[in-house]
Amino acid sequence: EPEVTQTPSHQVTQMGQEVILRCVPISNHLYFYWYRQILGQKVEFLVSFYNNEISEKSEIFDDQFSVERPDGSNFTLKIRSTKLEDSAMYFCASTRQGASGYTFGSGTRLTVV
Amino acid sequence: GENVEQHPSTLSVQEGDSAVIKCTYSDSASNYFPWYKQELGKRPQLIIDIRSNVGEKKDQRIAVTLNKTAKHFSLHITETQPEDSAVYFCAASNPFNNDMRFGAGTRLTVKP
Repeated sequence: EPEVTQTPSHQVTQMGQEVILRCVPISNHLYFYWYRQILGQKVEFLVSFYNNEISEKSEIFDDQFSVERPDGSNFTLKIRSTKLEDSAMYFCASTRQGASGYTFGSGTRLTVV
Repeated sequence: GENVEQHPSTLSVQEGDSAVIKCTYSDSASNYFPWYKQELGKRPQLIIDIRSNVGEKKDQRIAVTLNKTAKHFSLHITETQPEDSAVYFCAASNPFNNDMRFGAGTRLTVKP
């Protein structure tokens, strides 16, 4: 069964540093998403991406965040200057049809120290 | 935007009993309602979903009901087993906004 792949599985970074989280969505999917889950809390929507542009973003997705699809396979989330409160599990997801039938990646655990 | 409320936050049942988790949503345009199961340290896994043109859907021991008028939907697990223990999330999305919003989750514990 096709999978959404995320790397790295765990990233530790110093506060103020930039991080890039990487995702390879399922190849025939057209919609891409990033979600965040702080330990023990709900899964929070960050951003959706379709047709090479952001289609929706939440109030969490401020100027510190950006997404890119630099080539035909990768979908990245960049956090420019990490804060302690950015520590969370970040999940990438993709789907063929918008906002349904999501397939989640295994997540990247980001720890900001 | 869409706001999804989920209750209860924790639920403990004896093996073999039924478990019911309830969610409400705010956006009347929402038309897709999935349920996810998340085991500790793992990704959310889709277990069942329902669309607004259907009132009920069943898959073995799992069923979901939808009341579009009242804007609520529920997950029913019958004959619970210890391996059903996990956090369950409901979610809602609409076709006009390309996002999906989750409830806060229910930690289900099935005691043997």
